[in-house]
Amino acid sequence: AQKVTQAQTEISVVEKEDVTLDCVYETRDTTYYLFWYKQPPSGELVFLIRRNSFDEQNEISGRYSWNFQKSTSSFNFTITASQVVDSAVYFCALSDDLNRDDKIIFGKGTRLHILP
Amino acid sequence: DGGITQSPKYLFRKEGQNVTLSCEQNLNHDAMYWYRQDPGQGLRLIYYSQIVNDFQKGDIAEGYSVSREKKESFPLTVTSAQKNPTAFYLCASSIAFAGVGNEQFFGPGTRLTVL
Repeated sequence: AQKVTQAQTEISVVEKEDVTLDCVYETRDTTYYLFWYKQPPSGELVFLIRRNSFDEQNEISGRYSWNFQKSTSSFNFTITASQVVDSAVYFCALSDDLNRDDKIIFGKGTRLHILP
Repeated sequence: DGGITQSPKYLFRKEGQNVTLSCEQNLNHDAMYWYRQDPGQGLRLIYYSQIVNDFQKGDIAEGYSVSREKKESFPLTVTSAQKNPTAFYLCASSIAFAGVGNEQFFGPGTRLTVL
């Protein structure tokens, strides 16, 4: 069965600290896709990244970086030098090749507070 | 600008009334989705549609109905049969298609409160 676990319900850090959001996934498929979305207080989910299961290369985009490790079924997200604007709920999500309808399974999210 | 619009942003309804939430996209996406989000919870899929005139139940379809008469529109009706309708409703779309892991793009959401 597909499952996404975000064990950290809520995290608070002081501005400029680095913070890592954990994501562990389960799937029986060998072809799958992982996503991260950001939900700011306005409510709209913003797409951040998509990764396919054949590409384990870590990705960096500005202050954001993602660490994909198939051996531990994890797809962790790190924000470097956090800013107050990073405060949001972050969702990790999974879609696999068994899923014939492009459905995405979301984790329950991690609420991140960046304190000034 | 291309995107997804949902209206209204806030909606209040009396218990026992049906209410329809609007979702429109001009991204030329084939697939559209409705999610429900409760406080502290992730997103739960209500209904989805891969193509015009076709839609499928998601994980929590009871008490909801949808239609997909046009590619750009996917309205959701919350019926009186939905026992606990107060929630934040998000509409999403993706380019399509099965098995390729397309990202979904989301609208701003509608917050429904039943009085």
